[in-house]
Amino acid sequence: DFVMTQTPDSLPVSLGERATMNCKSSQSVLYSSNNNNYLAWYQQKPGQPPRLLFYWASTRESGVPDRFSASGSGTDFTLTISSLQAEDVAIYYCQQYYNIPLTFGPGTRVDIK
Amino acid sequence: QVQLVESGGGVFQPGMSLRLSCAASGFTFTNAGIHWVRQAPGKGPEWVATMSYDATQTFYAVSVKGRFAISRDDSQNTMHLQMNSLRTEDTAVYYCTKGTGGSSYSASGYWGQGILVTVSS
Repeated sequence: DFVMTQTPDSLPVSLGERATMNCKSSQSVLYSSNNNNYLAWYQQKPGQPPRLLFYWASTRESGVPDRFSASGSGTDFTLTISSLQAEDVAIYYCQQYYNIPLTFGPGTRVDIK
Repeated sequence: QVQLVESGGGVFQPGMSLRLSCAASGFTFTNAGIHWVRQAPGKGPEWVATMSYDATQTFYAVSVKGRFAISRDDSQNTMHLQMNSLRTEDTAVYYCTKGTGGSSYSASGYWGQGILVTVSS
């Protein structure tokens, strides 16, 4: 199985400051035939289902504010919130969909410092 | 807009069976890969099962293989998850999701609100 790890576990950030979190896959999720990274990022707020933020590692889903950005390739990926807003308090998960079983990381909890 | 509405959850005893259903609307159901994802209390999401748009690709997590079965009814825009031989560790909120593509190898672009399945004696 592809094991996804996320760091840090918890990320306290002041309002307006940058939040950066990482996701690492145990194996590459880059498919050479189409040059796509099979990596997604989700945001989950309490009592809500996860919401897709990015897929193909860096393709922003419709409606996601542009203060969110994502990058990376192969095994190492980053999600950045350029200026943290109160509504961004949530747990952020990465997921690989390159290989069955599809696997999620354990999440990074972002809250206000 | 895209809507996914789950039904069929509740409280069940170990060994029992149930079928979850998910009514889909707002998109071309026959073009979409579908996934079931569950989330145990206080835990992260766990992928359970997937079916491609044309039902030629069907995959399961090891923890449910042989006990759960995913299906789709394109005439009703509905997906199902038949859950047999329930175990206490199957207790979770179950989400149906629409894939970002037609393949099983897709992210979960839209999620239902989820339905709680509790397995307890």
